[in-house]
Amino acid sequence: AQSVAQPEDQVNVAEGNPLTVKCTYSVSGNPYLFWYVQYPNRGLQFLLKYITGDNLVKGSYGFEAEFNKSQTSFHLKKPSALVSDSALYFCAVRDFYSGNTPLVFGKGTRLSVIA
Amino acid sequence: EPEVTQTPSHQVTQMGQEVILRCVPISNHLYFYWYRQILGQKVEFLVSFYNNEISEKSEIFDDQFSVERPDGSNFTLKIRSTKLEDSAMYFCASTRDPASGTDTQYFGPGTRLTVL
Repeated sequence: AQSVAQPEDQVNVAEGNPLTVKCTYSVSGNPYLFWYVQYPNRGLQFLLKYITGDNLVKGSYGFEAEFNKSQTSFHLKKPSALVSDSALYFCAVRDFYSGNTPLVFGKGTRLSVIA
Repeated sequence: EPEVTQTPSHQVTQMGQEVILRCVPISNHLYFYWYRQILGQKVEFLVSFYNNEISEKSEIFDDQFSVERPDGSNFTLKIRSTKLEDSAMYFCASTRDPASGTDTQYFGPGTRLTVL
């Protein structure tokens, strides 16, 4: 069975500092990995995904994520945080062999960027 | 940029009442989903729909739930007799390529359902 763990409920970072939101996953085959962001009273917005190739994936709003197969991780990063990045971030996974199956989500990490 | 839209944004209903949540997926998308998020919990899959039939459903999606694509644009989720525990944010999502696991699912803004 597929699963995703986001070990931190809350991450606080000062504006201008680098940020990391952690995600680890478990799948039986090769993973497809996704990050979504949810702003207050809004839906889930797609940020980036890892399918294959380069382990460092770049996405929207200056975010990037690094796929690490040996550590089964897909941490979300940004070199310099903005107050407007404050939101709820979800990591999700799908198994390579499962076709167009539903995404399995982590429980979310609330990012708070302080001015 | 095309978006998934959902109506209403907030629905309040009495326990035992029927509700219909509506979604308009992105126009050239073929595969549709409903997910839900109970307050403070993770986003959970309910059902997927392709080619006018249910493709996959979770154990949450019991006989009280049904989905329909009544015309070429709308995709609906019906809850026949709502329970208190159905209170949640319901998200619709769509994806273009039904065969590809690499395709991105695009989500709507959600409908917050409150059952009293």
